[in-house]
Amino acid sequence: ELKVEQNPLFLSMQEGKNYTIYCNYSTTSDRLYWYRQDPGKSLESLFVLLSNGAVKQEGRLMASLDTKARLSTLHITAAVHDLSATYFCAVDDSWGKLQFGAGTQVVVTP
Amino acid sequence: NAGVMQNPRHLVRRRGQEARLRCSPVKGHSHVYWYRQLPEEGLKFMVYLQKENIIDESGMPKERFSAEFPKEGPSILRIQQVVRGDSAAYFCASSPGHQERFSGYGYTFGSGTRLTVV
Repeated sequence: ELKVEQNPLFLSMQEGKNYTIYCNYSTTSDRLYWYRQDPGKSLESLFVLLSNGAVKQEGRLMASLDTKARLSTLHITAAVHDLSATYFCAVDDSWGKLQFGAGTQVVVTP
Repeated sequence: NAGVMQNPRHLVRRRGQEARLRCSPVKGHSHVYWYRQLPEEGLKFMVYLQKENIIDESGMPKERFSAEFPKEGPSILRIQQVVRGDSAAYFCASSPGHQERFSGYGYTFGSGTRLTVV
């Protein structure tokens, strides 16, 4: 069974500093997704990573995928308040099922 | 609006009643997925459907829950005789065919239905 582990589960960030969220998964997959969820809202797609070595950047967020290590990272540069949200990684099991991590709740404070 | 449409957004049911949750996928998407999110938890897969077929229902509770995606109309997630433990947010996602998904299209999620059982 595909398992996805995120850490940390909670991250208190200071504005202006850099942080990383880690996502490990247990079986081979070439498709990994990062989503953002604000309280009471749906999931907003941030990145789709399709191959080993894939790196994508959007604003202060950068995601990478190492399929050999079964690891993805979401790097936040110079955190700002509006990045406060819960971030999920999810892995596609090739049969149409996404397995989600437990989520990382991010709170950015001055 | 080209997104996944779910309704109702909020649903309150008394214990023992039935809950029906609707999902209209993105136009042209033939694959629909239902996920459940309990408070303070991640999303858990429930069921994967294509038009008129259930492809994978391994995440569905064995009793009281059913899903369909008819040839015409939205996908329906039905929960009979609801209990307090069914209170959760239910999200629907859609995608085009496998080839497009493998090419990076990904999944589009709806806004969810928040079910409260009182």
